[in-house]
Amino acid sequence: SYVLTQPPSVSVAPGKTATITCGGDNIGTKSVHWYQQKPGQAPVLVLFFDSDRPSGIPERFSGSNSGNTATLTISRVDAGDEADYYCQVLGGNSFHPRVFGGGTKLTVL
Amino acid sequence: EVKLVESGGDLVQPGGSLRLSCVASGFNFDDYDMHWVRQAPGKGLEWVSGIDWRGSDIGYADTVRGRFSISRDNTKDSLFLQMNGLRVEDTALYYCAQDLTPRVTGDQPLHHWGQGTLVTVSS
Repeated sequence: SYVLTQPPSVSVAPGKTATITCGGDNIGTKSVHWYQQKPGQAPVLVLFFDSDRPSGIPERFSGSNSGNTATLTISRVDAGDEADYYCQVLGGNSFHPRVFGGGTKLTVL
Repeated sequence: EVKLVESGGDLVQPGGSLRLSCVASGFNFDDYDMHWVRQAPGKGLEWVSGIDWRGSDIGYADTVRGRFSISRDNTKDSLFLQMNGLRVEDTALYYCAQDLTPRVTGDQPLHHWGQGTLVTVSS
């Protein structure tokens, strides 16, 4: 089965740029979706199809995907961005299974 | 406003059964593929099962295949998950989630999520 690898944690100072990676075999050939989850809340879609933003998500959130690594970039980080972030891809040839990375805890220092 | 409200979670003994429900509102339920995703306490997200908008294409994670069964009733805007042979490792918050694009079955993100219902499997 397809495996996605994320760093367990990333720390960044307010106002700086956070980069969260998602590694997978030839992940650049897949579409990557990113979710933000704050404590006690349901996940929220923040990027889809590598770099598209749903309505209401700030332009500070951007993404890229190439080779074996997809990246979520959050510029001008503020305390409200502190959360767990998960990448997700389609692991099969139909519409399932959906595969999640293990998640990255973003800490704003 | 899209709303997904899960129910049916409970404390159950190993080997027991539960049926989870998710009632949808604020969108044309019968146009969207739907999914169950779970999260064990302090752990990450795990996709459990999905069903296409017509109810004809269904998938399961390897960890639940043969024990869980997903279904939907488009006349009642409802999604279900029948869980049999429950194990301690099935303990989790179970979320109902909606795909992004109507009438498209394929690689889609999970756009809207409910708040989850808690399943605890313990003796």
